[in-house]
Amino acid sequence: KAGVTQTPRYLIKTRGQQVTLSCSPISGHRSVSWYQQTPGQGLQFLFEYFSETQRNKGNFPGRFSGRQFSNSRSEMNVSTLELGDSALYLCASSLGGGPNYGYTFGSGTRLTVV
Amino acid sequence: AQSVTQLDSQVPVFEEAPVELRCNYSSSVSVYLFWYVQYPNQGLQLLLKYLSGSTLVKGINGFEAEFNKSQTSFHLRKPSVHISDTAEYFCAVSKGYKLSFGAGTTVTVRA
Repeated sequence: KAGVTQTPRYLIKTRGQQVTLSCSPISGHRSVSWYQQTPGQGLQFLFEYFSETQRNKGNFPGRFSGRQFSNSRSEMNVSTLELGDSALYLCASSLGGGPNYGYTFGSGTRLTVV
Repeated sequence: AQSVTQLDSQVPVFEEAPVELRCNYSSSVSVYLFWYVQYPNQGLQLLLKYLSGSTLVKGINGFEAEFNKSQTSFHLRKPSVHISDTAEYFCAVSKGYKLSFGAGTTVTVRA
């Protein structure tokens, strides 16, 4: 079966711009979680969506937002980009029971802010 | 609060030698522990997980880990590594709806 698909794989944006990243989960998976990976802060939880509702949110500013569509695809948006937003953004899909029940990660979107 | 500490940031090892990656956790309640691997320019792949039951957990690619409650550790081991095991390894603890990761250990396998 197809894995988790994240698009685009690479992105370069300028400070102050906004960006939208996409994640298509495994067919049948209803939960999508997003993580940010940076050399300084490591892997940090952004938010989780389940059945089109944000179920949990990490400690990130309001510039970071997301949504989930009826087909479970999810997008995350970062507005007013800062240099520190440069990171690998990973999404993980699961049936809905959280990481204990199985996460499958995508390959990530590498965002560079210049 | 639950967290994990990976004690080694880098581990160089020769091909066919054994390797151990150390992970300690802090928690006063039940813990659910994971090891993930990340190859260059890739996402995270689950190697193994401990939820309950046997303290010796076997995973993919010949890896295994032992949950030690008295030492609050969950060390990852492989008896004989290959060049293809060169990657970054993350220990993580589940906090219900999310994972909290350690800082990672970079394993470099040399011929």
